[in-house]
Amino acid sequence: DIQLTQSPSFLSASVGDRVTITCRASQGISTYLAWYQQKPGKAPKLLIYAASTLQSGVPSRFSGSGSGTEFTLTISSLQPEDFATYYCQQLNSYPRSTFGQGTRLEIK
Amino acid sequence: EVLLLESGGGLVQPGGSLSLSCAASGFSFSSYVMNWVRQAPGKGLEWVSAIRGSGTTYYADSVKGRFTISRDNSKNTLYLEMDSLTAEDTAIYYCVKDNIVGAIHHNDYWGQGTLVTVSS
Repeated sequence: DIQLTQSPSFLSASVGDRVTITCRASQGISTYLAWYQQKPGKAPKLLIYAASTLQSGVPSRFSGSGSGTEFTLTISSLQPEDFATYYCQQLNSYPRSTFGQGTRLEIK
Repeated sequence: EVLLLESGGGLVQPGGSLSLSCAASGFSFSSYVMNWVRQAPGKGLEWVSAIRGSGTTYYADSVKGRFTISRDNSKNTLYLEMDSLTAEDTAIYYCVKDNIVGAIHHNDYWGQGTLVTVSS
């Protein structure tokens, strides 16, 4: 099974900061990677798919990059509504998929 | 507007059974792979099962042989039958729609979730 490891698991940052979250796969997954945002008590929301394609309606301050085994999610200038937990998901073994353990982004 | 509305969650004793449903609307239900993804309290996301429009099914090893996914395309409804439940199955269960752009799959819509609690 393909494992995904996110780093860091916890991140404290301020409004306006640029932040980067990394997701590493245990084996190559091309660009079959998605990123989700989840706020407390809510369902996850798709941000990015195919490693770098922004989902419709998602602000352009979110961007994704990477291929193979290393991927990043970058938020260029944090807004108050961005404080949430972020998950990566691999779909290389579609329709089976696995998620990273999550990165909790909190206000400093 | 795509809507996914789960129902059927609740409290069940260890070893018991429970059936979940997901009513879908706003898209051509039979054309899309549908999934169940769960999240234990305070934990991360775990893919549970998927079903193609044709009815081909897939399961995570943790639920294989205990859970059964099915769909009724005439009713635009997804189901999850859960048997031999244990405390480790306690979670919010999300109904999730698949999408494909080019050759790239992703999960574009999620329901609000239904809570399953396995406890005596």
